[in-house]
Amino acid sequence: GAGVSQSPSNKVTEKGKDVELRCDPISGHTALYWYRQSLGQGLEFLIYFQGNSAPDKSGLPSDRFSAERTGGSVSTLTIQRTQQEDSAVYLCASSLAQVGGTEAFFGQGTRLTVV
Amino acid sequence: AQSVTQLGSHVSVSEGALVLLRCNYSSSVPPYLFWYVQYPNQGLQLLLKYTSAATLVKGINGFEAEFKKSETSFHLTKPSAHMSDAAEYFCAVSDTSYQKVTFGTGTKLQVIP
Repeated sequence: GAGVSQSPSNKVTEKGKDVELRCDPISGHTALYWYRQSLGQGLEFLIYFQGNSAPDKSGLPSDRFSAERTGGSVSTLTIQRTQQEDSAVYLCASSLAQVGGTEAFFGQGTRLTVV
Repeated sequence: AQSVTQLGSHVSVSEGALVLLRCNYSSSVPPYLFWYVQYPNQGLQLLLKYTSAATLVKGINGFEAEFKKSETSFHLTKPSAHMSDAAEYFCAVSDTSYQKVTFGTGTKLQVIP
């Protein structure tokens, strides 16, 4: 597609359930990011994938959060045993990171509500 | 490790007044610098970027930013604020080696009529 695509756009889940959020990056982009944006807060970095390198997981807030990127393309962010504090907008971005100074392109986000 | 600091989580200006949003960076190698804007209920979009060419960078909607190495700054300005500029603005940095883009915490701009 022309841009970064995220699905679903909205997700309401019950506390304690697992959720999966999907990101389709721009074709050919080797770098992929996940961020979280809570109400009234800035961008919180979660995880960064760059080509075949080991992902930078330094932003994952707990072991309930995990992400994978299959075939260097689609990525899934999984949150296990969701808590109310996980409610936020989850943003995915991709970039053509081999070329210096290329910007990250963002999807529209998935709004997660844990009830 | 690279980082950016945005001074002021909220900035208010009157319509027609100068907009100045501050960003300072830290990077051990020459940086690339970006400003993004997020309008209410929308995703982030690129306003402008610095990639070691001209130090004064012009972006969309009349915004510009100047790279000052001596001050490690990349402040965003616009001569005259418009109501439609009300949004959240994010400064970001990446370096020429690892290429990971690191974002600041954002500044919410309020424009008062």
